[in-house]
Amino acid sequence: QVQLQQWGAGLLKPSQTLSLTCAVHGGSFSGYFWTWIRQPPGRGLEWIGEINHSGTTNYNPSLKGRVTFSVATSSNQFSLSLTSVAAADTAVYYCARRRISGILINAFDLWGQGTMVTVSS
Amino acid sequence: QSAPAQPASVSGSPGQSITISCTGTSSDVGSYNLVSWYQQHPGKAPKLLIYEGNKRPSGVSYRFSGSRSGNTASLTISGLQAEDEADYYCCSYAHLNSYVFGTGTKVTVL
Repeated sequence: QVQLQQWGAGLLKPSQTLSLTCAVHGGSFSGYFWTWIRQPPGRGLEWIGEINHSGTTNYNPSLKGRVTFSVATSSNQFSLSLTSVAAADTAVYYCARRRISGILINAFDLWGQGTMVTVSS
Repeated sequence: QSAPAQPASVSGSPGQSITISCTGTSSDVGSYNLVSWYQQHPGKAPKLLIYEGNKRPSGVSYRFSGSRSGNTASLTISGLQAEDEADYYCCSYAHLNSYVFGTGTKVTVL
């Protein structure tokens, strides 16, 4: 059974850099776009962007410039870096999976457990 | 890129059917039949219910169905059950290889 396990620092100060990593356990790393989605407390979901195994990326235009994705194919991991964080970046951050071809190519069918990140001085 | 609008809340009695709308624009919902729907219980990660407008992944109950007309996609839950009480989000493919989630709907089972 494929699982996504994510981790990273949960408390940051304004202007610091948010770093999260998600590991893919029990399944293929290629053939998917690996996605980051966030949810501020009590609010809705926001698509941050995605990266595939070869490093092709797509970003939410509203966050482009502060966000960087990376992959480590040898360890089936992908990461999110968000610079210059502010209180508005406080949210639960989820990693998720989207297929590149075939069925389910435009949906997120597998999600990580979520990581709460709080930005506070 | 604005979030497609969903009603803040929808309620129904057990056994009834309810419909949640997701109104976007001609740049997202209206241009692509690529809307997906997610169910989220409190403190949990979202779960995929519907993809490409009206397709159910393996394991999702037949009680969940999707449709689209113009710039509005809809999720119908038939035979409402207590376990259906949750938040529901639509998500649409938008231009330039991006995705946009709807504003979310809280479903209450009376």
